Amino acid sequence: NAGVTQTPKFRILKIGQSMTLQCAQDMNHNYMYWYRQDPGMGLKLIYYSVGAGITDKGEVPNGYNVSRSTTEDFPLRLELAAPSQTSVYFCASSYSGGRYTDTQYFGPGTRLTVL
Amino acid sequence: GESVGLHLPTLSVQEGDNSIINCAYSNSASDYFIWYKQESGKGPQFIIDIRSNMDKRQGQRVTVLLNKTVKHLSLQIAATQPGDSAVYFCAGHIVLKIQGAQKLVFGQGTRLTINP
Repeated sequence: NAGVTQTPKFRILKIGQSMTLQCAQDMNHNYMYWYRQDPGMGLKLIYYSVGAGITDKGEVPNGYNVSRSTTEDFPLRLELAAPSQTSVYFCASSYSGGRYTDTQYFGPGTRLTVL
Repeated sequence: GESVGLHLPTLSVQEGDNSIINCAYSNSASDYFIWYKQESGKGPQFIIDIRSNMDKRQGQRVTVLLNKTVKHLSLQIAATQPGDSAVYFCAGHIVLKIQGAQKLVFGQGTRLTINP
């Protein structure tokens, strides 16, 4: 299994541009998450999904959108990039959401810079 | 609100010594805690977890202690090796709105440096 994969690894955007960060997992996990990590900080939840067609906002959803059309894929869309969105983005997945078994497995991250 | 914090941003230890990384949390509703290791340029990697009905759990060279009275967690790494150099995060689980999904509330991390 490849686990959780993310593309691209690095990206530089100009203010106002749009892009989609890709995330895929091959573990048949039903739960998927997007986090962002600012320098020297822990991760903050942007959006999450509990299955195809079901998504909800996390702590910091403004400026982002998601969709979940398949179990495997959970892309994150930035519509009008702003410098405040400069960060490292991590996708994670977990199997059940069950209270004691919900270990989240992380992808390698996408480093995004908005200039 | 909930928060999880780490006591020290950096920790330096001699190779072969034991390392202890501390973490405090504020939300009593967190009943599941995880320690993650993050190496430079990589995503967080699961190390060990502990449920709130336990006060100690051991893995290979790692032990997590949970003190619910003072809302404190610690990660102990035995015989620290150069490969243990990384940033360590503690995270607590908070249940989200939909179908039991949970978010991780992360502390800021402790950077562990191993001196030869």
